[in-house]
Amino acid sequence: DGGITQSPKYLFRKEGQNVTLSCEQNLNHDAMYWYRQDPGQGLRLIYYSQIVNDFQKGDIAEGYSVSREKKESFPLTVTSAQKNPTAFYLCASASGRASETQYFGPGTRLLVL
Amino acid sequence: QQPVQSPQAVILREGEDAVINCSSSKALYSVHWYRQKHGEAPVFLMILLKGGEQKGHEKISASFNEKKQQSSLYLTASQLSYSGTYFCGTGTGANNLFFGTGTRLTVIP
Repeated sequence: DGGITQSPKYLFRKEGQNVTLSCEQNLNHDAMYWYRQDPGQGLRLIYYSQIVNDFQKGDIAEGYSVSREKKESFPLTVTSAQKNPTAFYLCASASGRASETQYFGPGTRLLVL
Repeated sequence: QQPVQSPQAVILREGEDAVINCSSSKALYSVHWYRQKHGEAPVFLMILLKGGEQKGHEKISASFNEKKQQSSLYLTASQLSYSGTYFCGTGTGANNLFFGTGTRLTVIP
């Protein structure tokens, strides 16, 4: 089955700890995205990547880092510099053509202990 | 660049109709509509492109006024399963989308 997977479904972070959220897709999509969603809010773009080994900051990149070493994978690290990381994190992918939409993974809910 | 959605929330009885609006201050190439159930990922409903092309579900209809930079999603004969938060995402021709804050739709029996 083609799709986007995210893991884990729930993640707990201790103070001062870095944590990494996984995002994998087998849709052969070039573009991948990370969004943050807070309760009752819309989606805010953290980072995006149009091609392997290249990525750009979105609107709220501070306290986050990414890598894109493989086309299929776009992990997001929430660093200790992110002081308010509790949120629902969504990964999406797209073909890269402006006439095509983005498809979302199931999300990871990050909670701070 | 975030689009503005209206209304913020709406409650319908089964069988009633609703319209959700999305307005942008930027010239648009595309408008993407999604529905999100609580705690789940947004699910793609429809994309409307500059020039009139549309792709999406047969039971969903929408319009895109390029001059006014507005789009509307039409939900007719609503069912309980229509409940959720509806988001529009606007594209300006690059690959990124800007999402509105959502419209919460509740359908009651």
